[in-house]
Amino acid sequence: DIQMTQSPSSLSASVGDRVTITCRASQSISNYLNWYQQKPGKAPNLLIYAVFSLQSGVPSRFSGSGSGTDFTLSISSLQPEDFATYYCQQSYSSPYTFGQGTKLEI
Amino acid sequence: QVQLQESGPGLVKPSETLSLTCTVSGDSISGYYWSWIRQPPRKGLEWIGNIYSSGGSNYKSSLKSRVTISVDTSRNQFSLKLSSVTAADTAVYYCARQTYRSSSFVVDFWGKGTLVTVSS
Repeated sequence: DIQMTQSPSSLSASVGDRVTITCRASQSISNYLNWYQQKPGKAPNLLIYAVFSLQSGVPSRFSGSGSGTDFTLSISSLQPEDFATYYCQQSYSSPYTFGQGTKLEI
Repeated sequence: QVQLQESGPGLVKPSETLSLTCTVSGDSISGYYWSWIRQPPRKGLEWIGNIYSSGGSNYKSSLKSRVTISVDTSRNQFSLKLSSVTAADTAVYYCARQTYRSSSFVVDFWGKGTLVTVSS
């Protein structure tokens, strides 16, 4: 199985900050990398797919980059509603594993 | 708008079989992949497996001996059975739709999730 490792596991930031979350795959996954946002008590929501494509309705302050094994999710100017847990997921091969999550806190 | 709703017992005894059903509304179940994903309390997401509407399934290898996912297109439902459960199977179980976006296989619709506790 492909292992997905996110860093950091938690991150403290303030409204207006720019933050970056990193996701590393245990082998090359080309551009088959997706990001999800999960708020407490809710199901995850798709944010970004295929490394950098924004899901419909996702604000442009979110962006993704990377290829091969190393990927990043950036939020350019944090808003109060962005404080949540973020997960990367590889869709290169089954099982479609997730990273362990990054909790973004105020 | 596609909506998914999990249903089934919230408490299962150790060694018994966990059974959940997901009812899909707002679209036909045909032509898509349908998945089960779980999240133990205060932990991350684990993909369990999926099934195509015509019946081909795919499971996480470490769970394969205990998992069965089935689909009922006439009822627009799909189901999960997990046998020989232990406390480690306690989790929120999500049903979800998987589809291709720019060739990447994404989970684009999720149910709200249902907590299943394994305890005697």
